[in-house]
Amino acid sequence: DAGITQSPRHKVTETGTPVTLRCHQTENHRYMYWYRQDPGHGLRLIHYSYGVKDTDKGEVSDGYSVSRSKTEDFLLTLESATSSQTSVYFCAISEYVVGGGEAFFGQGTRLTVV
Amino acid sequence: GDSVTQMEGPVTLSEEAFLTINCTYTATGYPSLFWYVQYPGEGLQLLLKATKADDKGSNKGFEATYRKETTSFHLEKGSVQVSDSAVYFCALSGDTGNQFYFGTGTSLTVIP
Repeated sequence: DAGITQSPRHKVTETGTPVTLRCHQTENHRYMYWYRQDPGHGLRLIHYSYGVKDTDKGEVSDGYSVSRSKTEDFLLTLESATSSQTSVYFCAISEYVVGGGEAFFGQGTRLTVV
Repeated sequence: GDSVTQMEGPVTLSEEAFLTINCTYTATGYPSLFWYVQYPGEGLQLLLKATKADDKGSNKGFEATYRKETTSFHLEKGSVQVSDSAVYFCALSGDTGNQFYFGTGTSLTVIP
């Protein structure tokens, strides 16, 4: 299994508070991603990173920010949590290889905003 | 832009039945195609992949063939087991190799 650790695994927070989720990898992969998974929507990309301090927005980036100060860590911050951000969040990593490299996923973080 | 459309679920089958989950894609260039499986409470795991036209990916009795002429990558298994109950996602990565696009997932339940 790819070495990806997400923390925390579960979190309950109040509306309006900031929340940070952490993704840590031991594979030295260049690309890291944050997705959210919601019923009926599958996986939707929030932000991704293609190197240290290099990040870009995905399709549902509003209300989220990210940082990557080291190759192995990718942080997702909800600046002011809302109930619509209740979801399961997945981190993924990949390394581009000729012919197509796959993404590897963490175990997920279940976030509930009350 | 690139996208994946997969068969709506949920799908319920009896043990030993034949499984097909349809997946079609839209992409420019030559994407790589993937099937992922998600068991309850877990992350997604790669089930199989194909990186060029006419390639067949296979794993654990599952198969899918990359059909460029029909832009499809349908997942099949000849005889499903209760342990195959999970959610299955079709996905693609485009020419640049660093963007992944997922279908909405198909829930499969296999009953004894």
